[in-house]
Amino acid sequence: GEDVEQSLFLSVREGDSSVINCTYTDSSSTYLYWYKQEPGAGLQLLTYIFSNMDMKQDQRLTVLLNKKDKHLSLRIADTQTGDSAIYFCALSGGYNKLIFGAGTRLAVHP
Amino acid sequence: NAGVTQTPKFQVLKTGQSMTLQCAQDMNHEYMSWYRQDPGMGLRLIHYSVGAGITDQGEVPNGYNVSRSTTEDFPLRLLSAAPSQTSVYFCASCDTGDTEAFFGQGTRLTVV
Repeated sequence: GEDVEQSLFLSVREGDSSVINCTYTDSSSTYLYWYKQEPGAGLQLLTYIFSNMDMKQDQRLTVLLNKKDKHLSLRIADTQTGDSAIYFCALSGGYNKLIFGAGTRLAVHP
Repeated sequence: NAGVTQTPKFQVLKTGQSMTLQCAQDMNHEYMSWYRQDPGMGLRLIHYSVGAGITDQGEVPNGYNVSRSTTEDFPLRLLSAAPSQTSVYFCASCDTGDTEAFFGQGTRLTVV
C-alpha cells in the first residue's frame, strides 16, 4: 500500500523559513495536502496541490512537488510562534480516503 | 454553520464495554470517514462511506462497526472495547470530487 514518510521534528528560530518534507511511494493521488494540527484540536487544511502542478504559493506558504522523486515540501516563510504545531502530509486515495504521514512537529523558538 | 460535530469529546471505557462515537455534518457531504490518531503514526483510516447506505473498510477496521442511514450522520461503534483502542478518533466529511476534507474536533477515548 501507500507509504508516506515525514521527519518527526523540526526546530526553527522565529523569523526564519521552515521547510517540512514528505516522501511517498504511490504517485496515483490526484491531490496532495498539508494539514496543520494545533494541540488538542482537529486538523485544519493549510493548502493542497494538484498532482499536475510543480509549485503552489499561498501567502507565506509555498508547496513544491517533485513527481519524479515523489517528494512534497511545505515552506513557511517568516515563521512565527503561532506556526508551532504538527504538520501532516496527506495523499488522496479517492472517496475522502486520506493517507497520512506521521506528522512533523514544528517548534518555533525566539 | 457547525461543520463536522463529534460527540463526546472525551470518554473513558472499561475493557469489554461498548459505545458509539457520534459524528454529524451539516454540509450535505456525500463522503464521510473515521480515522484514529496514535502517537508517531499519523491518522489511519478505520471506515468510510460514499453515501447513505454505503460503507466500506479502511486500513484498521477490526473492532469497529459503522452504518450510514442518513447523509448527515456516521456513527462509529466499538462493540467490546480493548486497551488497544485507546486513541483520538476523528471524523471527516468531504464533498464528491476529492476536494477539501473537513475534520471534527476529535474524541479522545481511553480504555482501561
